[in-house]
Order: sequence, then structure tokens, then C-alpha cells
Amino acid sequence: DADVTQTPRNRITKTGKRIMLECSQTKGHDRMYWYRQDPGLGLRLIYYSFDVKDINKGEISDGYSVSRQAQAKFSLSLESAIPNQTALYFCATSAVAGRRTDTQYFGPGTRLTVL
Amino acid sequence: AQSVTQLGSHVSVSEGALVLLRCNYSSSVPPYLFWYVQYPNQGLQLLLKYTSAATLVKGINGFEAEFKKSETSFHLTKPSAHMSDAAEYFCAVSHNAGNMLTFGGGTRLMVKP
Repeated sequence: DADVTQTPRNRITKTGKRIMLECSQTKGHDRMYWYRQDPGLGLRLIYYSFDVKDINKGEISDGYSVSRQAQAKFSLSLESAIPNQTALYFCATSAVAGRRTDTQYFGPGTRLTVL
Repeated sequence: AQSVTQLGSHVSVSEGALVLLRCNYSSSVPPYLFWYVQYPNQGLQLLLKYTSAATLVKGINGFEAEFKKSETSFHLTKPSAHMSDAAEYFCAVSHNAGNMLTFGGGTRLMVKP
């Protein structure tokens, strides 16, 4: 079984709808991240969480919110989806040590289309 | 502040040819650098990382990268391309705080038979 899972894998929705993307991990990591990937822009950080009570905004948090329900679960919400939020979304985790050399482990991604 | 530039959004090579994917970075602190690979319909997985232990870093699947401070570069190479290397490759630099990453725009590698 995969260490980092994301649901759903694909989602098509309409402008103005509320959407939640979910991420679960079995790696026992404390740190979790949400990124979005757009062609030519690489991955950009939306939110990150160092533990259940520590949540921080990333580079592009406007229009998004997150919830860390447990050590293993980190959800991303779009309160009112808009077309320019159409992208590939990735969840990632890393070890509690938080060293700059720590590897991040990525889920398989959620492809979101907002019509 | 940290930034990463990957020259060439698309690179095409023939099977058996040298693979060279370019990455230049800017960092206000000693950099730690990563190469990730994304195969179609999959998440990113670590290919290799520079942690200052050695300037020439060997990774999985025959890839390696050399850290050159004077050129602020961390180019990825493989002597002989294989069809299975077709994927998108991302270079990233680690921030000073925690281990957040700043990614380059990615390079899509195509391998021709």
C-alpha cells in the first residue's frame, strides 16, 4: 500500500462549489504539505503543517484553507472554487526532524478541474 | 530568498544518448538541492539530493548530479538514456526554515527510440 494517499484522484466541479481534497499518510511523519502544480511553474506551496496544532500559510494560500485532523490526515479545502484553481494538487510529508536535507514524500496527486 | 531556474522546459534525446538537464539556483544560505522525478500519473519521487557531503551525487536509475558553487548549478546527467527515463524532472532548493522546498518549473524529458 502507498505511504501517502490522496482522495479523490480526479475531480471536476463548477465555479462556486466547495471542494475538499484529502491526504492520509502511514509514514508516521509529523510534517505535511500541500502543493499545486501548474505547467511551467513547477510546484508551489499552498499550506504546511509541522504538527497537529501548527499550520502555516505557504506561497499561494489565498482561496484555500486546510485542516489537520490528526497526525496522519491533512485536508485542503477550496471554499468557493474558481477556474484558475484548476491544477494538479499534491500532498507531501517529511520527518519530524525538519532538517533542510530531509526528503519530502509525495502522494499521487489530485487532478482538479473547475468549470 | 531562494529560487530555481531549469533551462529548457522540454528536452528530447535519442535512446542511448547522454541526458543533461540543467538547474541553476539562487540562495541566500548554503544550498541543499534536490532532483525529483515525476512519471506519468504519479507523484514525485526523490532522484538524488546534495547535502554538502560530496559535490558529485549519485542517485537512482543511473542518474547523477554535480554541485558547482562557482556556477550556482546542479545539473542532472545520465550517460545513456533509456525509454523508461521519459518523465518530468524537477530541481528544488531547501529553504532556511524547516525544510520547505522551492521548485523549478520542471523539464519534460522525451526519449526517442
